[in-house]
Amino acid sequence: QTVVTQEPSLTVSPGGTVTLTCASSAGAVTSGYYPNWFQQKPGQAPRALIYGTSNKHSWTPARFSGSLLGGKAALTLSGVQPEDEADYYCLLFYGGAHVFGGGTKLTVL
Amino acid sequence: QITLKESGPTLVKPTQTLTLTCTFSGFSLSTGGEGVGWIRQPPGKALEWLALIYWDDDKQFSPSLKNRLAITKDTSKNQVVLTMTNMDPVDTATYYCARRRNSQVFAYWGQGTLVTVSS
Repeated sequence: QTVVTQEPSLTVSPGGTVTLTCASSAGAVTSGYYPNWFQQKPGQAPRALIYGTSNKHSWTPARFSGSLLGGKAALTLSGVQPEDEADYYCLLFYGGAHVFGGGTKLTVL
Repeated sequence: QITLKESGPTLVKPTQTLTLTCTFSGFSLSTGGEGVGWIRQPPGKALEWLALIYWDDDKQFSPSLKNRLAITKDTSKNQVVLTMTNMDPVDTATYYCARRRNSQVFAYWGQGTLVTVSS
């Protein structure tokens, strides 16, 4: 079964920039995997941020952006805010199956 | 306004079958491109996709769980039902349902329901 890998944890300073990545055991991540990104804060349901690699939902703050980077899907936060501290999950679509990554715990310190 | 809400038992015994219902509003599963999926999250662990049903009754399942899962829809009631057989303590998790519309995968989520498997 395909495994999707994310950095377990990252730390960023307020106002800084950080990039989270999402790799596939099946090889390079392409737009055909329709990468999605979700944010989850403690005790809450996940919130969708990015779909189809780089498309933002109407509620997604402008500081979040999605891309493909070096064979991986990437989520970049520019001008990080304290409220961005959360778990972030990517989701890849493999034809008939959806696979979540293991999540990245982002600390803003 | 789009809402989804999960309902079902909070406690099931090992080997029993779990039945969860997702009741939604603000969209119709009879509309092309629409789908509702189920995702779970064990305490302190990552999200895991389980199943998804589309407006045309196409169904997709997690390969590792497909033998234990079934998913159905009742368009008239705006409900999607997930059943999972042979429950085990490792299936203890918060179970979420979420909407998929075309390429917008799981843009809307329910609040989740915690299911504990214990004798």
